[in-house]
Amino acid sequence: NAGVMQNPRHLVRRRGQEARLRCSPMKGHSHVYWYRQLPEEGLKFMVYLQKENIIDESGMPKERFSAEFPKEGPSILRIQQVVRGDSAAYFCASSPTGLGSGANVLTFGAGSRLTVL
Amino acid sequence: AQSVTQLGSHVSVSEGALVLLRCNYSSSVPPYLFWYVQYPNQGLQLLLKYTTGATLVKGINGFEAEFKKSETSFHLTKPSAHMSDAAEYFCAVSDRAGNKLTFGTGTQLKVEL
Repeated sequence: NAGVMQNPRHLVRRRGQEARLRCSPMKGHSHVYWYRQLPEEGLKFMVYLQKENIIDESGMPKERFSAEFPKEGPSILRIQQVVRGDSAAYFCASSPTGLGSGANVLTFGAGSRLTVL
Repeated sequence: AQSVTQLGSHVSVSEGALVLLRCNYSSSVPPYLFWYVQYPNQGLQLLLKYTTGATLVKGINGFEAEFKKSETSFHLTKPSAHMSDAAEYFCAVSDRAGNKLTFGTGTQLKVEL
């Protein structure tokens, strides 16, 4: 049973380009979370999605960032017109149900490291 | 709003010595508390969690943590450090109705011979 799969593991973009990060949750998991880890900082929540729905995007920057989790295929975090400050590790996590149930915890992927030149 | 404070961004111990990583939280509602470990270039792996019940929680790799409501703390301990314990450790809190974790800034544990 594969874990949470993220790709690409490393992505280099020039300022102004677009970055697309993909996340395939664990089999049987229908809840996906994206977190960002800036250098020397802890993980910060960005967005929580279920299939075809954004449940909580309170951590997403208001501009240039978007996320989706279509009925088929992986979840995608999209960053348009990247800037140097977007350089970070972006982690995806999944759970079988929402965390509110308490019994389930997040399973994290290995992350996608974005470098903006 | 919830928050987590991890005292000491870097902790160094000798192999075989006690490991103590500190975590204090702030939450207006009864929290769920977690410790995760991150090895270089890898994702986070759950060490242990507290939800309800027994306040002393045992996790993987010999780690344990105790929830102390009066001190709003959830410190992580291990009686005897091993070289393989060198990693970054994150404390996190989640409220019982929410669907997101709030992480501390992490503690880098170094284990020396």
